[in-house]
Amino acid sequence: QKEVEQDPGPLSVPEGAIVSLNCTYSNSAFQYFMWYRQYSRKGPELLMYTYSSGNKEDGRFTAQVDKSSKYISLFIRDSQPSDSATYLCAMSGLEGNEKLTFGTGTRLTIIP
Amino acid sequence: DTGVSQNPRHKITKRGQNVTFRCDPISEHNRLYWYRQTLGQGPEFLTYFQNEAQLEKSRLLSDRFSAERPKGSFSTLEIQRTEQGDSAMYLCASSRDRGYTEAFFGQGTRLTVV
Repeated sequence: QKEVEQDPGPLSVPEGAIVSLNCTYSNSAFQYFMWYRQYSRKGPELLMYTYSSGNKEDGRFTAQVDKSSKYISLFIRDSQPSDSATYLCAMSGLEGNEKLTFGTGTRLTIIP
Repeated sequence: DTGVSQNPRHKITKRGQNVTFRCDPISEHNRLYWYRQTLGQGPEFLTYFQNEAQLEKSRLLSDRFSAERPKGSFSTLEIQRTEQGDSAMYLCASSRDRGYTEAFFGQGTRLTVV
């Protein structure tokens, strides 16, 4: 069983919809939780990170972490075609910039 | 700040040949990471450096793989006697020292072993 589980999709939603992306994990040592966006044939770019449990909002993006359930989410409001990409969740331990453990990624398409 | 630079962007090699990739991190970043990503999967950790010291290596890094970071600047990843299973995207990332979480990734080197 993988340490981080993520539904690979693909997920297609109409423009303007709210998108919900999720990951579950098994390693309770994870303290830092990140979401990366990856366009085809490009390197991942960091969207948001959260330390421990709680919510964090940045524009149209909201990240939530529930450590008691070992469950993290990324919400995208007012989705745009330019949001079409693969979204990767990633986690790391206490220092925050040790190795990252990634999910498989969810491929998202926003339909105009 | 020009970001993390990786060269070459693409490499096609015959099985059994050796290949070397280069990563130039963001200049003030002390930590440098190598990851491998296969199609439809998330990146998998291979190894990381704190300055010139290699601090951790994944079990994925067989003895055919070696990484160096001389003088704590750029890094190279060498694969000896390549196999078809080595075909993947090799990603490099860098970050500041302790207490800073953001790792910046390069565009990757796509390796195809034929």
